[in-house]
Amino acid sequence: DTAVSQTPKYLVTQMGNDKSIKCEQNLGHDTMYWYKQDSKKFLKIMFSYNNKELIINETVPNRFSPKSPDKAHLNLHINSLELGDSAVYFCASSRGASGRTDTQYFGPGTRLTVL
Amino acid sequence: AQSVTQLDSHVSVSEGTPVLLRCNYSSSYSPSLFWYVQHPNKGLQLLLKYTSAATLVKGINGFEAEFKKSETSFHLTKPSAHMSDAAEYFCVVSDVAPSGGSYIPTFGRGTSLIVHP
Repeated sequence: DTAVSQTPKYLVTQMGNDKSIKCEQNLGHDTMYWYKQDSKKFLKIMFSYNNKELIINETVPNRFSPKSPDKAHLNLHINSLELGDSAVYFCASSRGASGRTDTQYFGPGTRLTVL
Repeated sequence: AQSVTQLDSHVSVSEGTPVLLRCNYSSSYSPSLFWYVQHPNKGLQLLLKYTSAATLVKGINGFEAEFKKSETSFHLTKPSAHMSDAAEYFCVVSDVAPSGGSYIPTFGRGTSLIVHP
């Protein structure tokens, strides 16, 4: 039973295309996140949702739009893909709303390659 | 503002020898601190966390870390390295925002642990 799952695992696409990455968690957690990991392994938070409400929105181009249809799902839609969007994108979840002490549970990642 | 510095980008040890991965943090308030491990082509997994209880924290797989407020450090140690410990390790600081409410976890740049047979 996968706690946090992401699809697809690999995504190869052309510049200018629009793509989505899906994330689901079956842990009953209230909070979900999207992170971007660049080629040097640096991880940066992009968004966080608590019970379908956006609570963290870091400096991310507005080509990136998260959508949370319910608290178990947080999808990431990317418009007009650019070369610099190539990275590994991780979804994560945690139990609480304030989150300061909560453990985050990470998905396996989606490797996005923009050609 | 909070920040995390992992002092070594790579640490190389022989199997059976001690491991030390260094982490210094900067935080305006009372932080929580975490160590996560990432094995190749995998997601991150929590090793251990400090949340203002005991300053010496024990985690999984024999790892432990000590929170030292005076030194603003949270170094990760293990007495004896195993080949399976080879991975990327991330130190994370998480703090209460000045206005309260949401927090933003800040990741260090990672330390790659290499274990030689």
